[in-house]
Amino acid sequence: DAGVTQSPTHLIKTRGQQVTLRCSPKSGHDTVSWYQQALGQGPQFIFQYYEEEERQRGNFPDRFSGHQFPNYSSELNVNALLLGDSALYLCASSQPGLAAAPDTQYFGPGTRLTVL
Amino acid sequence: GNSVTQMEGPVTLSEEAFLTINCTYTATGYPSLFWYVQYPGEGLQLLLKATKADDKGSNKGFEATYRKETTSFHLEKGSVQVSDSAVYFCALTNSGGYQKVTFGIGTKLQVIP
Repeated sequence: DAGVTQSPTHLIKTRGQQVTLRCSPKSGHDTVSWYQQALGQGPQFIFQYYEEEERQRGNFPDRFSGHQFPNYSSELNVNALLLGDSALYLCASSQPGLAAAPDTQYFGPGTRLTVL
Repeated sequence: GNSVTQMEGPVTLSEEAFLTINCTYTATGYPSLFWYVQYPGEGLQLLLKATKADDKGSNKGFEATYRKETTSFHLEKGSVQVSDSAVYFCALTNSGGYQKVTFGIGTKLQVIP
């Protein structure tokens, strides 16, 4: 049973460019969340997708956008890259569960983005 | 809002020493509590969880008890190994929060032979 997979593993971009990161959820999961982990910090919630719609969003600017496909895979897009966007981007998947009883999230290995 | 506070690291222990990593939280309602572990160069792995007060989560010799009265979820292990060297994150999801995970800053553990 494949776990959460992410691509690419590493990415180097320059300021002002745009980037797309990809995530495939664990089998049987249909909810995908994205997190940003800066060096030496805990992950910060970006947003969550369920049924191809953004269900919840953290405190990130509109430069961060996403998409979920019918097969539940997801993309994270970041426009107009800043140096401060350099981080490990983690994707997590879960079963829908209930809002009152949230299911455990399982994380992928992450994509390391470096902005020069 | 929700928040998680962990003890500052790094923590350096000798092999077979006893480990405690403190974690306290602030949340409304009845959160689920987690410990995740991150080995060097890797993503997060779920270590253990507890979903209600007085539950004890355990895995690989690690354990933590959900203490609602003290809003704590301290991680313990009786005898650490070199292979336990990693960064440990305390985290919570809140009921009604659609599974958004709030993490602590992480505590780096280094175990020396």
